Amino acid sequence: NAGVMQNPRHLVRRRGQEARLRCSPMKGHSHVYWYRQLPEEGLKFMVYLQKENIIDESGMPKERFSAEFPKEGPSILRIQQVVRGDSAAYFCASSPQQGNEQFFGPGTRLTVL
Amino acid sequence: KQEVTQIPAALSVPEGENLVLNCSFTDSAIYNLQWFRQDPGKGLTSLLLIQSSQREQTSGRLNASLDKSSGRSTLYIAASQPGDSATYLCAVVNTGTASKLTFGTGTRLQVTL
Repeated sequence: NAGVMQNPRHLVRRRGQEARLRCSPMKGHSHVYWYRQLPEEGLKFMVYLQKENIIDESGMPKERFSAEFPKEGPSILRIQQVVRGDSAAYFCASSPQQGNEQFFGPGTRLTVL
Repeated sequence: KQEVTQIPAALSVPEGENLVLNCSFTDSAIYNLQWFRQDPGKGLTSLLLIQSSQREQTSGRLNASLDKSSGRSTLYIAASQPGDSATYLCAVVNTGTASKLTFGTGTRLQVTL
């Protein structure tokens, strides 16, 4: 059973470009969470999704950031018009049900030039 | 607002020593608590999950305890090994927050030969 998969592992973007981060949850998991780890800071919750629904987006910036988890395919975290402050490691986690143990992917390290 | 603190921030011990990592949280209304390890530049590996109704969980050389009323958890590592060197994170899910994890600041552990 493959673990949580994220791609790309590393992503470089210039200011103003768009970044798309993908997350495939573990098999049988329908709950996906995105977290961000800024340099020298702790992990912060961004958004929680269940298939086709956003359950909690209280940690996601209101502008430029969006997330989806379609019926088919991976969850996508999209950042429009990236700025240098978006440079961070973005981690995805999944669980089979709400409140269960969360399993993390290897992360995508975004660098904005 | 939940705040999670871990003490000490860094710890260096010789191989073979038993050690205790501490985690405290300000809001005792938690659903569960999870301990992770994070290796440099890598994702998070789940170590133990303790439900709010449980007092402790064990996995191999690891034992985690939970005292919800006092807002504390400890991670005990027996007979430490150089391979245990990593950053250890605790995280809580508050009741009524739809599964989002609130992370602690982490303890950076180094086990020396």
